[in-house]
Amino acid sequence: QVQLQESGPGLVKPSDTLSLTCAVSGYSLSGGNWWGWIRQPPGKGLEWIGFVYYSGNIYYNPSLKSRVTMSADTSKNQFSLNLKSVTAADTAVYYCARHSCSVSSCYVDHWGQGTLVTVSS
Amino acid sequence: QSALTQPPSVSGSPGQSVTISCTGTSSDVGSYDRVSWHQQPPGTAPKLMIYEVSNRPSGVSDRFSGSRSGNTASLTISGLQAEDEADYFCSSYTSSNTLLFGGGTKVTVL
Repeated sequence: QVQLQESGPGLVKPSDTLSLTCAVSGYSLSGGNWWGWIRQPPGKGLEWIGFVYYSGNIYYNPSLKSRVTMSADTSKNQFSLNLKSVTAADTAVYYCARHSCSVSSCYVDHWGQGTLVTVSS
Repeated sequence: QSALTQPPSVSGSPGQSVTISCTGTSSDVGSYDRVSWHQQPPGTAPKLMIYEVSNRPSGVSDRFSGSRSGNTASLTISGLQAEDEADYFCSSYTSSNTLLFGGGTKVTVL
């Protein structure tokens, strides 16, 4: 059974770069799915950040595109998120997620447990 | 791209049915079978309940069903139980190869 586990600093200073990694177990990163990140500010809804295919194809949320970088490492079976120039508005629970995609549709079928990242000095 | 529109809350008594709506556009909800639904009990990660408008993953109760009419999708919970109390989010793939989420609906079991 596929499991996803986020890791990274829980506290990031304003203007710094937020970096998270998602370790995947029970399933190969090159198994045909897309791997992405979603965040949820405290008490608010979900915001899709983007996703990456193991071969390097990537799609980002247009509202975050200028600050986001994602990558996939098949040798470690993990993928990562970098979000630069963070502000307090980037404080959220960050989830990594597996996406299942067809020719015309994609959806999240497995979620990590989430990790809270607070932006504060 | 704007978030999908959901009612903030719905409620029902045990045994009743509740329906949550999710409104988008012809580029997302109204296009192909792109809608999924996720359940998020308090303090936990979301869980997939419905995919491609009306399909249930293995292990999800058949009390949960999905449908769509035009640019509005719906999630119906039949035979409401206390354990169904949670936030529910709709999601849709878009013609721009991105995902959109709704603002979430809190389901309260009276």
